[in-house]
Amino acid sequence: GENVEQHPSTLSVQEGDSAVIKCTYSDSASNYFPWYKQELGKRPQLIIDIRSNVGEKKDQRIAVTLNKTAKHFSLHITETQPEDSAVYFCAASNTGGFKTIFGAGTRLFVKA
Amino acid sequence: DGGITQSPKYLFRKEGQNVTLSCEQNLNHDAMYWYRQDPGQGLRLIYYSQIVNDFQKGDIAEGYSVSREKKESFPLTVTSAQKNPTAFYLCASSIGGTPGELFFGEGSRLTVL
Repeated sequence: GENVEQHPSTLSVQEGDSAVIKCTYSDSASNYFPWYKQELGKRPQLIIDIRSNVGEKKDQRIAVTLNKTAKHFSLHITETQPEDSAVYFCAASNTGGFKTIFGAGTRLFVKA
Repeated sequence: DGGITQSPKYLFRKEGQNVTLSCEQNLNHDAMYWYRQDPGQGLRLIYYSQIVNDFQKGDIAEGYSVSREKKESFPLTVTSAQKNPTAFYLCASSIGGTPGELFFGEGSRLTVL
């Protein structure tokens, strides 16, 4: 079945450094790739997404890249801040959009 | 305020009992979902519904049941057949029809005693 793998499971960085989280997906029909942030005890919230007709998207300190040939997509956070500490989930879905498959999550720690 | 509301936030159940988790949305979304979250396993899809009176099994539907009698509501019943029901359950909704953002509720934590 469809699968999304996410690495690393835990990431610790110093404040101001960059953080990169990588995901691979198995379903070649996937065409929508969102990233969600879940702070401790809170609901997941969308932080950025990318569709298959775009290779890169940026929103302030956050960027996402997509390589459809390799079925890879990545989240890049620059100039990390302590409030970036959270669990980040990548996901993939396809047209019809009713079955979003999530990665296992990456717990990011930003040390002040 | 528009949003998605889950209740109860915490629930304790004895083994062998069924329990129903409520999920209500006022976003006028067509699609609704139930996910289960366990430590280190991300979010796994239990059931989803594209439209009223229609729903499909996700990846881990065994031991769960749902209904979608109203657009706003998508309750999840955790039955006694679910072997490991202790988990955090998240309900979500989306506009539907095309891949897009999922809006999550605050979750319900079920503990089986």
